[in-house]
Amino acid sequence: NAGVTQTPKFQVLKTGQSMTLQCAQDMNHEYMSWYRQDPGMGLRLIHYSVGAGITDQGEVPNGYNVSRSTTEDFPLRLLSAAPSQTSVYFCASSSVGNTIYFGEGSWLTVV
Amino acid sequence: QQQVKQSPQSLIVQKGGISIINCAYENTAFDYFPWYQQFPGKGPALLIAIRPDVSEKKEGRFTISFNKSAKQFSLHIMDSQPGDSATYFCAPTSNFGNEKLTFGTGTRLTIIP
Repeated sequence: NAGVTQTPKFQVLKTGQSMTLQCAQDMNHEYMSWYRQDPGMGLRLIHYSVGAGITDQGEVPNGYNVSRSTTEDFPLRLLSAAPSQTSVYFCASSSVGNTIYFGEGSWLTVV
Repeated sequence: QQQVKQSPQSLIVQKGGISIINCAYENTAFDYFPWYQQFPGKGPALLIAIRPDVSEKKEGRFTISFNKSAKQFSLHIMDSQPGDSATYFCAPTSNFGNEKLTFGTGTRLTIIP
């Protein structure tokens, strides 16, 4: 059982480039979400989804897009990378009333 | 508006001692109070959680104490071990809203021999 799988693990982007962070879960969870973690700030919610076809914004959504075409996948798109988006990104999934599972993180550097 | 305040920011405890981390919140609608543990290079993982209908919950060496009137809850680690060295986050939420959590800023715990 793979749980929550994030790819890539590490990525360096140039300012203005676009990319997609992939997230997949094999637990048939309804809820999926993306967080970013910055030093001294804990984890902050970027976008979340309560089911296929349904997404909503979190605390820090600017500069990011998401879609949820299937239950398993929840990709995070950076449209035009900026140095302020240098961070560690975590994907999470859960079912109603159950434990939240996090992926191992994606380290992104924008130069 | 900062809804969740966690303290201390860092903590050093001797092996065998008691580690105490605190979390204060403002939103009275919160009804689920978890602590997450994160090791370097890994994602957070649920450690222990409590509902507001009880004031304390114990799982092995880990205890959550909950004070509803003060809007605070704390994590106590008894007989702290070097393997407990990690960053700990509180993340209270409402209606068991798994889809979106508000995390505290984290406490880096170091257990020294």
